[in-house]
Amino acid sequence: DAGITQSPRHKVTETGTPVTLRCHQTENHRYMYWYRQDPGHGLRLIHYSYGVKDTDKGEVSDGYSVSRSKTEDFLLTLESATSSQTSVYFCAISESGSGDIQTQYFGPGTRLLVL
Amino acid sequence: GNSVTQMEGPVTLSEEAFLTINCTYTATGYPSLFWYVQYPGEGLQLLLKATKADDKGSNKGFEATYRKETTSFHLEKGSVQVSDSAVYFCALSDQGNFNKFYFGSGTKLNVKP
Repeated sequence: DAGITQSPRHKVTETGTPVTLRCHQTENHRYMYWYRQDPGHGLRLIHYSYGVKDTDKGEVSDGYSVSRSKTEDFLLTLESATSSQTSVYFCAISESGSGDIQTQYFGPGTRLLVL
Repeated sequence: GNSVTQMEGPVTLSEEAFLTINCTYTATGYPSLFWYVQYPGEGLQLLLKATKADDKGSNKGFEATYRKETTSFHLEKGSVQVSDSAVYFCALSDQGNFNKFYFGSGTKLNVKP
């Protein structure tokens, strides 16, 4: 299994509070991604990183920011949480290049409930 | 653009039945194709993949063939078990764009004893 951990695994917070989720990898992979999973939508990309301090928006980035100060850590921040951000959040990693190494590997997820 | 469409579930089968989950895709280039499986409360695990047309991916009795002419990557298994109950996701990778993935909405499989 790829070495990916997410913290916290579960969180309950109130509307309007900031929340930070952490993804940590031990694989030294270049690319990291944050997704949210909601019923009927599969996985939707929030933000991704292609190197230290190199990040870009995905399809559902509004209300989220990210940072990557080290290869192994990718942080997702909800600046002011809303109930619509209640979801399960997954981090993924992959190597750069083509062919067999394209696979994305997923962390165990963080369940976030915004009241 | 890139997108993946897979059959809606849930799919309910009896043990030892034949499984097909349909997946079709739209892509601007030559993507790799993947099937992932998600068990309750867990993250996604790679099930199988194919990197070019006519390749067949296989794992744990599951198979899927990359059909460029029909833009499809249907998942099949000859005899399902109760332990195969999970949600299955089809995905494609855009390797020229930071290896971003595009996922289908997932198909839940329930296998009854």
